[in-house]
Amino acid sequence: DTGVSQDPRHKITKRGQNVTFRCDPISEHNRLYWYRQTLGQGPEFLTYFQNEAQLEKSRLLSDRFSAERPKGSFSTLEIQRTEQGDSAMYLCASSLEQQGNQPQHFGDGTRLSIL
Amino acid sequence: SQQGEEDPQALSIQEGENATMNCSYKTSINNLQWYRQNSGRGLVHLILIRSNEREKHSGRLRVTLDTSKKSSSLLITASRAADTASYFCAKRETSGSRLTFGEGTQLTVNP
Repeated sequence: DTGVSQDPRHKITKRGQNVTFRCDPISEHNRLYWYRQTLGQGPEFLTYFQNEAQLEKSRLLSDRFSAERPKGSFSTLEIQRTEQGDSAMYLCASSLEQQGNQPQHFGDGTRLSIL
Repeated sequence: SQQGEEDPQALSIQEGENATMNCSYKTSINNLQWYRQNSGRGLVHLILIRSNEREKHSGRLRVTLDTSKKSSSLLITASRAADTASYFCAKRETSGSRLTFGEGTQLTVNP
């Protein structure tokens, strides 16, 4: 169990650019979640996958955001035409859901800064 | 939007003292989870308590859940400087898989 891995740890980009983050979940976990956290706040849910299927999306996930989990393993989160308000920590989590009531295990996040 | 409210927002204690953090919520839950976050890092899962449970222990941690009052508390006994972190409660509603987090309690344990 190597834990949830996120890459990159930090991303600095200019407004208007596209960015892509990667998350590698714990290997046997079937669910993968994306959250966003701004300074001084708790994480806010963005979306989650069960295997390769995207089952739920938050209203926070505007049409500039897209997430994929093509083979049911790693996931990518892309933000197009970044805005200053996108600056945040993007957290990925995974869980093994069989009978419910399972904890989510988080990675260390990708901190995005928009100049 | 944040639906778990935590109290206090900040807590400063001396090593060896106990720390109690409280969390309230508004809707029905499947379970409630407590997490710790060190500055600049991800969240570390501490305890999960199901809606039909009233109390759980893990080492120096004790979590209670009162579904009639829609509240939970996290007690850290005999605190250590290494316990300094932000603590979040997160509820999982009866429908869906998402976690809804509160704004957290910033705990500082002074050596």
